[in-house]
Amino acid sequence: GNSVTQMEGPVTLSEEAFLTINCTYTATGYPSLFWYVQYPGEGLQLLLKATKADDKGSNKGFEATYRKETTSFHLEKGSVQVSDSAVYFCALSDRQGAQKLVFGQGTRLTINP
Amino acid sequence: GAGVSQSPRYKVAKRGQDVALRCDPISGHVSLFWYQQALGQGPEFLTYFQNEAQLDKSGLPSDRFFAERPEGSVSTLKIQRTQQEDSAVYLCASSLVGTGGRSSNQPQHFGDGTRLSIL
Repeated sequence: GNSVTQMEGPVTLSEEAFLTINCTYTATGYPSLFWYVQYPGEGLQLLLKATKADDKGSNKGFEATYRKETTSFHLEKGSVQVSDSAVYFCALSDRQGAQKLVFGQGTRLTINP
Repeated sequence: GAGVSQSPRYKVAKRGQDVALRCDPISGHVSLFWYQQALGQGPEFLTYFQNEAQLDKSGLPSDRFFAERPEGSVSTLKIQRTQQEDSAVYLCASSLVGTGGRSSNQPQHFGDGTRLSIL
């Protein structure tokens, strides 16, 4: 079945550092790929998405590129801020059927000033 | 409403009790999903509705779990004879359109969840 594997956390960085959170997936067909973010005390929010190979999703300075050849969707940001501290979830959904999301286990990111 | 609303935010129950968790999706959203999130884990799919029809309940862990959406709007997740392993955050999400086609990439909007603790 479909699955998502994320880089294990927690990840701690200093402000303005470069961020990469790795995500790889296993899926039949051509899934859509997502990054969701959960800020402290808040619900899950969609951060960015990509729906086909070589698409790049971007939002709030974050980027991720849908790499079919490596089945990856790594999240990157060039200069992180304290306000980026949150838990990040990589997810996929099958284009067919119910579009239910399959999530990775989440990566907790802490940015120190 | 402005977003997906779930109630209660917190629920504590004794083992063996029945609980009911409510989800108010965004007005007009056709699809509604329930997920279970254990501590330190990602959410896991439980069940899916398109309007009032429950099209997928493959993720429900046992027959103690039951979900309904009788009028195609508000949904209730019911857990009977709760067990300690049912302790988790239960998330509800809704999206604008139904399954398949190019519109299948509509994002899911999540509520803040109900944190269920079984003593």
